[in-house]
Amino acid sequence: SQQGEEDPQALSIQEGENATMNCSYKTSINNLQWYRQNSGRGLVHLILIRSNEREKHSGRLRVTLDTSKKSSSLLITASRAADTASYFCATLMDSNYQLIWGAGTKLIIKP
Amino acid sequence: DTEVTQTPKHLVMGMTNKKSLKCEQHMGHRAMYWYKQKAKKPPELMFVYSYEKLSINESVPSRFSPECPNSSLLNLHLHALQPEDSALYLCASRRTPGQGVTEAFFGQGTRLTVV
Repeated sequence: SQQGEEDPQALSIQEGENATMNCSYKTSINNLQWYRQNSGRGLVHLILIRSNEREKHSGRLRVTLDTSKKSSSLLITASRAADTASYFCATLMDSNYQLIWGAGTKLIIKP
Repeated sequence: DTEVTQTPKHLVMGMTNKKSLKCEQHMGHRAMYWYKQKAKKPPELMFVYSYEKLSINESVPSRFSPECPNSSLLNLHLHALQPEDSALYLCASRRTPGQGVTEAFFGQGTRLTVV
C-alpha cells in the first residue's frame, strides 16, 4: 500500500552539499521511518520518529515531523558519494503490522 | 544477529517451473513479511505473518503461496508464474505491536526473472 508522495522524485547534488527529501502521508500515524535502498538491494532502516516527536538526529541525518501537515523531511548533511541511493519514507499506524510506503526519492551524489 | 537472510539471491525460472524463496531471521521477531518490488517503485506488500499465522494477504494471486514453518523461517512457493512477476522479492521482519514497535529489517532480496 502506498501512503503518499515523496519529493523530489530525483535529486542530484555535489558531494559535500546537503540533501533534503520530503514525504507526505494521508492518515494518522504511530511513527514514521526512513529507509535507504542501494541499487537492487534490500532496504536499510535509517531513523524512526514517533508521532509525538518533532525532530530527531542521527549522525548526519536530521528528520522532522509535522503531524498537522502530515509531512516529514529527511536532511542529509555533508553528502558523500556513498549516500547515492533511493530513500523511502514509511509510516506505521497504531497497532498495525503494515508499513505504508512513500514513492521514494532517488538521490545521486556527484563527486 | 540483526540479519535477515534470503536465498537464492538470483533466480531464473520458466513459466512451468516450481521454485521456492527462503527467508530466515534469528532476532526473535514474530512478524514476517513478503514484499514485491518493481524497478523505481516502493515495496508492495504481499503477505504478513504474525506468530506464524497468515494475517494479511494483499489479494496476491494463488501462484504465490507463502508458508511459515516456524518463527525463524518464511518461504514463498512459486508455481506457474508469468513474466510480469519478474521483480525483486524482499523478506522483512520486525517485532509485533505486542513486542514493541520497532523498525523492520530487510533481507537483500531475491532477483526473480520469469522467462
